[in-house]
Amino acid sequence: SQTIHQWPATLVQPVGSPLSLECTVEGTSNPNLYWYRQAAGRGLQLLFYSIGIGQISSEVPQNLSASRPQDRQFILSSKKLLLSDSGFYLCAWSRAVSSYNEQFFGPGTRLTVL
Amino acid sequence: AQSVTQLDSHVSVSEGTPVLLRCNYSSSYSPSLFWYVQHPNKGLQLLLKYTSAATLVKGINGFEAEFKKSETSFHLTKPSAHMSDAAEYFCVVRLTGGGNKLTFGTGTQLKVEL
Repeated sequence: SQTIHQWPATLVQPVGSPLSLECTVEGTSNPNLYWYRQAAGRGLQLLFYSIGIGQISSEVPQNLSASRPQDRQFILSSKKLLLSDSGFYLCAWSRAVSSYNEQFFGPGTRLTVL
Repeated sequence: AQSVTQLDSHVSVSEGTPVLLRCNYSSSYSPSLFWYVQHPNKGLQLLLKYTSAATLVKGINGFEAEFKKSETSFHLTKPSAHMSDAAEYFCVVRLTGGGNKLTFGTGTQLKVEL
């Protein structure tokens, strides 16, 4: 069966510090991968998605970046965090081939920028 | 462009009574629709998905949803609420095009009272 992991689970960082959140998927090959942010009281906003190694699409302009160094690894980064980067970050995966691909979500990372 | 509208931001029911969470969609094509549930500080779990095989879709934990094309609706129901159903529920539509991207509704917070 497939599983998706995210770490860390919680993170408190000062403004201006760097960020690295990691997501890994097990039990599947060549998944589509996604990063979402969920701000307090708001829905999910898609930040990045990837259909393959090194292939990243950005959905919104921001000071965040994403990388996919391996097939089942997706990393969210920032060089300098802003207060507005606080939120709940969710990684998700879906199968690459199917017409009705649901996405499967990780447990999330709660980021607080102070 | 595809979108979903969740008509209620908060719904409160008594334990043992029916649940109705409303969702309307907008899509130029035959849509792929999903309902997800999120418990506090957790990732999202898929409840059910509409795959066009049947208009009445049964999901986990006794939930079901009916796709009504004439009303462009995909409301989520459950005959009898349980305390453990208290969570946030998201109606989701799959976007056409590459990457298998999803658009999320703003969510409905379900409260279950004794």
